[in-house]
Amino acid sequence: KAGVTQTPRYLIKTRGQQVTLSCSPISGHRSVSWYQQTPGQGLQFLFEYFSETQRNKGNFPGRFSGRQFSNSRSEMNVSTLELGDSALYLCASSPSDPTDTQYFGPGTRLTVL
Amino acid sequence: AQSVTQPDIHITVSEGASLELRCNYSYGATPYLFWYVQSPGQGLQLLLKYFSGDTLVQGIKGFEAEFKRSQSSFNLRKPSVHWSDAAEYFCAVVRENNDMRFGAGTRLTVKP
Repeated sequence: KAGVTQTPRYLIKTRGQQVTLSCSPISGHRSVSWYQQTPGQGLQFLFEYFSETQRNKGNFPGRFSGRQFSNSRSEMNVSTLELGDSALYLCASSPSDPTDTQYFGPGTRLTVL
Repeated sequence: AQSVTQPDIHITVSEGASLELRCNYSYGATPYLFWYVQSPGQGLQLLLKYFSGDTLVQGIKGFEAEFKRSQSSFNLRKPSVHWSDAAEYFCAVVRENNDMRFGAGTRLTVKP
């Protein structure tokens, strides 16, 4: 089985722009979670999607949003980028919910200049 | 309130020595507990998890962890560390609303 894939792997944007990151889960997995990893804040939960519905959301501003498609692929969007949004964004998939084993992708490294 | 605490930011051990990485959680109900490892530039890989039952959990790569409810701990152990174990280790808990909270991580350095 192919693992979780994330595109792009690296991204450079400037402040004020918006960005869309993509995540393809393992085939058959219906739950997709997103995390932000920074040296200062560590790993923080952004949101989780299941069957095209956002099931849970972390404590991030509304500039961070996401969606899930019928094939379980997910995208997250960050609007009006700030310098502090520079981070590694990780996507994880699991069969039905995060209490199952979550499989992580390699992440997208976003740099905001 | 912090859900997961990893008190050691950085640990150095000699190759072949034993290892214990500490993890404490603050959570009222029976938690779902996990240990993940992250190598540089990589995503996270699950080492082991605890949901219920036997409090000593065996994982991959020779790791094990013990759940101690009385101490709210879930420490990760390995009897003999290999140089390839050098990485960052994260303890995590899944709360009732299904979001996963991670500890700050412990970076492991292995001396030859």
